[in-house]
Amino acid sequence: DGGITQSPKYLFRKEGQNVTLSCEQNLNHDAMYWYRQDPGQGLRLIYYSQIVNDFQKGDIAEGYSVSREKKESFPLTVTSAQKNPTAFYLCASTIPGDYGYTFGSGTRLTVV
Amino acid sequence: GDSVTQMEGPVTLSEEAFLTINCTYTATGYPSLFWYVQYPGEGLQLLLKATKADDKGSNKGFEATYRKETTSFHLEKGSVQVSDSAVYFCALRDSSYKLIFGSGTRLLVRP
Repeated sequence: DGGITQSPKYLFRKEGQNVTLSCEQNLNHDAMYWYRQDPGQGLRLIYYSQIVNDFQKGDIAEGYSVSREKKESFPLTVTSAQKNPTAFYLCASTIPGDYGYTFGSGTRLTVV
Repeated sequence: GDSVTQMEGPVTLSEEAFLTINCTYTATGYPSLFWYVQYPGEGLQLLLKATKADDKGSNKGFEATYRKETTSFHLEKGSVQVSDSAVYFCALRDSSYKLIFGSGTRLLVRP
């Protein structure tokens, strides 16, 4: 079955470390997105990519970086510059048209 | 910029009660509108959508009608079940195909 796979499900980061969250899709979708969700809050857009080798900053890109070298993959790196990274991270993808997004099951990142 | 406003939760109902979750939006043009549902510890699932004025989206007993005149897309269900307990997000798709979400409304259904 087609879908989006996020890994790992849980991730622990020490202060000052960079960590990378994986997002892979086999839906042949062109566009991919990363959102951050804090407890009791909505989703905020970090980065998005509409085609391979191109991506744009969302509303809260500071302290994060991404790459889009393959259509299927859109990894997110949480750098040490992100001062409050503890959150639930969601990856999504879509195709142009009147479609919604398909979401992965998320990665919960905790700073220890 | 575009935005979505949802009623604050939590909304607590007894089983078989009628559900309404209010959602209004601000946008240029006529965006597509969506409702997503999130169960604990999971990602979001598309519940229903509407792409133009007066469209009614429906799925699993849930309905929402795209009201251009009131810029609203309220979610309704005639008889909720315990299994409907989740967080519900209203969203619009802007002109560059990004989804803009409301803050979410937690629904708790008691037996």
